[in-house]
Amino acid sequence: SQQGEEDPQALSIQEGENATMNCSYKTSINNLQWYRQNSGRGLVHLILIRSNEREKHSGRLRVTLDTSKKSSSLLITASRAADTASYFCATDVSPGANNLFFGTGTRLTVIP
Amino acid sequence: DGGITQSPKYLFRKEGQNVTLSCEQNLNHDAMYWYRQDPGQGLRLIYYSQIVNDFQKGDIAEGYSVSREKKESFPLTVTSAQKNPTAFYLCASSIVESSPLHFGNGTRLTVT
Repeated sequence: SQQGEEDPQALSIQEGENATMNCSYKTSINNLQWYRQNSGRGLVHLILIRSNEREKHSGRLRVTLDTSKKSSSLLITASRAADTASYFCATDVSPGANNLFFGTGTRLTVIP
Repeated sequence: DGGITQSPKYLFRKEGQNVTLSCEQNLNHDAMYWYRQDPGQGLRLIYYSQIVNDFQKGDIAEGYSVSREKKESFPLTVTSAQKNPTAFYLCASSIVESSPLHFGNGTRLTVT
């Protein structure tokens, strides 16, 4: 399977702390995307990082990509209770592919 | 506001009945997708469509059917041949292949 795998499966932190989630995948990718899902809702796209990029920032989000290790990390700084959600990585395995392979997600709980 | 509308939010059916889930988008996106999400699992692709009147099977197409008669609409029919239809169904769209997905808020189908 080319599915990404997130680690940890669940993470609980205090408000104000940083949260780091990791994603590992198995084959070469065109890009890697991170999504957020609030309970019972659809996914929301957070950030896309291309295979030739190593780091990207968006507000309190920082994503890194290490293609040699086939891994990515998502860092949420200064977490808030509203960040409580599940976070998924999705790998796009080749240009023109019409299929993103989603991982099983990390469930983040931010305690006020 | 542009977006994807899925209806209904909750759907209950008896075993052996076909059921159709609605997905409409006003984002003018060419590509549309249907995913299935089961508890604790990632998203799995059922069908996708890049243009009107054309669609392709995803990883778990058996027991499902779709149509794409209009750019804005991509309904999914869950047939009685689908052995385990109870799940959360998500519709998504994108501008072109490999671009970020925009998701609807899902339909939770329960078959008893």
